[in-house]
Formats: sequence, C-alpha cells, structure tokens
Amino acid sequence: EVQLVESGGGLVQPGGSLRLSCTASGLTLNNYWMNWVRQAPGKGLEWVANTRPDGSDEYYVDSVKGRFTVSRDNAKNSFFLQMNSLRVEDTAVYFCLTSRGYWGQGTQVTVSS
Amino acid sequence: QAVVTQEPSLTVSPGRTVTLTCGSSTGPVTSRHYSYWFQQKPGQVPRTLFYDTSYRQSWTPARFSTSLLGGKAALTLSGAQPEDEAEYYCLLAYGGLGVFGGGTKLTVL
Repeated sequence: EVQLVESGGGLVQPGGSLRLSCTASGLTLNNYWMNWVRQAPGKGLEWVANTRPDGSDEYYVDSVKGRFTVSRDNAKNSFFLQMNSLRVEDTAVYFCLTSRGYWGQGTQVTVSS
Repeated sequence: QAVVTQEPSLTVSPGRTVTLTCGSSTGPVTSRHYSYWFQQKPGQVPRTLFYDTSYRQSWTPARFSTSLLGGKAALTLSGAQPEDEAEYYCLLAYGGLGVFGGGTKLTVL
C-alpha cells in the first residue's frame, strides 16, 4: 500500500521557519516529480513547489520564491519543504503530491502572532 | 504566471452526463500540460482521478473519463451518482511549474 506521511507542521510566528517532511512507503520517490500543494482554510488548492526525480531542478510559485526551498533525500525516500520568513498568508494545510497522483494526508501550518 | 480556468459550479441530475473543463490563459491545453484531475469532498484529502492527461487511477470509477476538447482539458462524468457531488480541480504543468484551476463545485441534484 502506498502511503505518504507529512510531518513538521505547527504554529509559528510571522517571520519564523518550519521544515516539512514527506516520507513515503510502498513506492520509490526517486521515480517521480514531487510537489508541495497547500490549501488555505475554505480555499482551493494551490501548487507551491516541486522538484525533479533526481532533484536537479526546483520550481516555485511566485509568492514563495526566495522564502521556501524544496529538497529530497531519495536514499531516505523523503521530500522536504524548508519554509522561512513565514507570513500569515502561508497558513494552510500542506500536502505532498507525487507526479503519479499520490497524496499525503496533509500537515497544518499556522502562522500567527 | 498562467491562469487556469474552470467552471465555478455545475449541477447535474442523477444518471445524466456532465463535462467539466480546464482552460489555460496561455493557449490550448495539450498533452504537454500533463493535466491532472482531482476530486475533493468536504473535510477530506483530495484524491487523484487522472494524471498525465489520461492515466486513470485504480480507484477511479469507469463513469469518469478525460479528453482534450476544444483547446481545453475535459473531465466527463457519464451517469452521475450522488456520491460524485464534490469539488473538482484540474492541475496543469507549465514546464516545471504547476497551476491549479479554481475548482468546480459539482452538485448532483
């Protein structure tokens, strides 16, 4: 059974940092592009960032460029999102999503003073 | 950045057919956009119905199908069931970048 488990979410003040992790079982992540997707309360889905299977390229939505960084550790079958300089508008549930269409269960990130 | 457009809402009667579309502000949607279709019910994690334009997930009912139609990606539901009432999102790839549509709230009534 394929399972993706995110972790690392929480409550952080504006300007703070968090590192999200997505760890897979039942599939090998190095075969797939890996994406982070978020959903703010009551809103639609927003694509945030991704990286190629080998980690050679990274892409970001304009609103997080320069603040968020994706990375992956294929040896650990894991994928990460380092989030710095967090803003209130980054508050959302963050999901990892493979290019094959598998989703994690999401982790809540709340940015508030 | 590109804008991806979907119908904000659609209503279909049980047993009838409805088509949801996904358009791109940059021009026709093609196979190079590797389109995805997702279904999300309230309080649930989205689930993927189709990926890479036409690949069906194992759990996707046969009454759902995809196509590229009139310059848009299309999701057709043939024989709507009450359990198909949900929000549907498409995702298009632009090189490495991804852009979601705003979602279509499908009501089965």
